[in-house]
Amino acid sequence: AQSVSQHNHHVILSEAASLELGCNYSYGGTVNLFWYVQYPGQHLQLLLKYFSGDPLVKGIKGFEAEFIKSKFSCNLRKPSVQWSDTAEYFCAVNEATDSWGKLQFGAGTQVVVTP
Amino acid sequence: GAGVSQSPSNKVTEKGKDVELRCDPISGHTALYWYRQSLGQGLEFLIYFQGNSAPDKSGLPSDRFSAERTGGSVSTLTIQRTQQEDSAVYLCASSRGGSYNEQFFGPGTRLTVL
Repeated sequence: AQSVSQHNHHVILSEAASLELGCNYSYGGTVNLFWYVQYPGQHLQLLLKYFSGDPLVKGIKGFEAEFIKSKFSCNLRKPSVQWSDTAEYFCAVNEATDSWGKLQFGAGTQVVVTP
Repeated sequence: GAGVSQSPSNKVTEKGKDVELRCDPISGHTALYWYRQSLGQGLEFLIYFQGNSAPDKSGLPSDRFSAERTGGSVSTLTIQRTQQEDSAVYLCASSRGGSYNEQFFGPGTRLTVL
């Protein structure tokens, strides 16, 4: 069965620390990968997306992700977090050949950055 | 409009009542999706519209759930005879369709069934 799993449900770290969130997926074919973020009281918004090509992808707000196809993983990183990065982060996957684009999401990781 | 809008933002209802949730997608977006976010869980796909038709209803949890889309725009998700397990945040997203286009999400409707 297709699935997306995120390694941590809750992460607490201090400002200026580095952040890495893990995501693994189980899919039979070629996939597209997305990381979404939901800041407190705000809509889900796209941080970055990976379709093909360079497995290191840069997104908005200093985030980047590394796609490791052989490990079916896509890890989100930020070298130095700020208090404003406190949010919930979601990994999502869809099948590249799916004309409907339905997304399957992980359970999310709540990140709290302390001053 | 500038983004996806949903109404109401919050809905409290009694078990057994019917509710209607509305989604206004971004103008020009042909694809519309409904997802559900339950406490402590990720987003769960419910239904997808391409134009006014719903080729994928695979995520609807029971026959109490239905949805329609009219004029290729506004969509309504209806839950009949609500149950406590229906309590969740219902999110709507729209896109230009396909697997490569970004889905833009609305603010959601928080449904509480007492």
